[in-house]
Order: sequence, then C-alpha cells, then structure tokens
Amino acid sequence: GAGVSQTPSNKVTEKGKYVELRCDPISGHTALYWYRQSLGQGPEFLIYFQGTGAADDSGLPNDRFFAVRPEGSVSTLKIQRTERGDSAVYLCASSVGTSGSNEQFFGPGTRLTVL
Amino acid sequence: TQLLEQSPQFLSIQEGENLTVYCNSSSVFSSLQWYRQEPGEGPVLLVTVVTGGEVKKLKRLTFQFGDARKDSSLHITAAQPGDTGLYLCAGARTNAGKSTFGDGTTLTVKP
Repeated sequence: GAGVSQTPSNKVTEKGKYVELRCDPISGHTALYWYRQSLGQGPEFLIYFQGTGAADDSGLPNDRFFAVRPEGSVSTLKIQRTERGDSAVYLCASSVGTSGSNEQFFGPGTRLTVL
Repeated sequence: TQLLEQSPQFLSIQEGENLTVYCNSSSVFSSLQWYRQEPGEGPVLLVTVVTGGEVKKLKRLTFQFGDARKDSSLHITAAQPGDTGLYLCAGARTNAGKSTFGDGTTLTVKP
C-alpha cells in the first residue's frame, strides 16, 4: 500500500515569507506526527495529532509555527515569517494510534531552505 | 537535554566485520524503535522492542532491549556495504505520542 507522502520535496523561500508543507499519512492511521531534522542530528519532535486534534504541540518552537489536520487525514504545517534558522528537513510520520506500539512510519521529508 | 545517547557517533568498518551500536538513556520507555535512514530519505523502521530483556533478530541484525527498558543495542553480523546508513533509535513513553530520537550512528561499510 501507499506510504506516507510529503509535498513539496524541496522548498526554497526568502526570509520573511510564509510556507506550507503538506503530509498525506498512511490510510487508516489516526496518529500523525511532524518532526524537524537538522544536519547531523536525529529528528526533533514538533507536534502530534490524534485524529483532528493536536494532542501534543509542545515541540513547536514558537508561534510562527502552526499545524492543522481538519479532516483527520492530510495535515499541513504552516510557518510564518520564515527565518534562516528554520532551514531543515521537515519529516511527517503516521502510526495506527493508541492501539499500536507507537511504530511510526515516515515520509521522505520536505527540505526547506530559507535564504 | 538529550534523553537518548547513541554511540559511537561514526563507525567505519570493512565488509564482513561485526559491529554493535548502542542507545542509552536514564529514562524508561514503553517501546523503543530502531530506524535506518539514507541521505535524502526519511527514516525506515527496522524493529520495535517493548519488553525488558527482549531480543529480536532480523536476518543479520540482532536488537536487544535492556532489562530496565532504558537502553538498547543493535548488533550486525558480517556487515555488507548495503548496511551503510544512519542508524537511529527512538523511545516512546506511551502507545501513541511523540518519540524521542538519538542523534544516530553513521555506519560506513567498505567493500
């Protein structure tokens, strides 16, 4: 079956601009996660959705970052007034939800470059 | 605060050698996952361990979860160039929710 997909694969923007990153999870997975990965580091947690609601947004670095999942499937990560420090690979993952063992399946990521 | 420490950070070996990489924490996890990541791609799940002392084998890879569920190891027998990649461990405290990742071990297997 289809895995997690993310679009775009690459995004180059200028400092101060607004960007949206999209994630399509595995069909039937109720849990969806956003992580950010900088070069040489492991993924860093940003936010976790269970269904339509954000169950844990403790990893969002500041109020410029926001994510939605209005119908409990596709999610969009939104970054306002981008800064050069936001440059990273943004990874999305999904899992079956509370009935599973938290096995998360990752998409290929979106590489964001802020000039 | 880095909750999961992976060692070594880098490992370069010859084809056919054995190796072990480690994932250590002072925290208890309900489950721990090992992933392999190649450049330009997302992490690919290798295994999940949930029981203290559990050992799982996946062909030439052997994964062990510590008795106290705070640490884990990955042993590769007779490494091959195709094993080259970044090996990440991730711990979870609940059945759903965020995972905490280590910074990984970059493995290079030379032919």
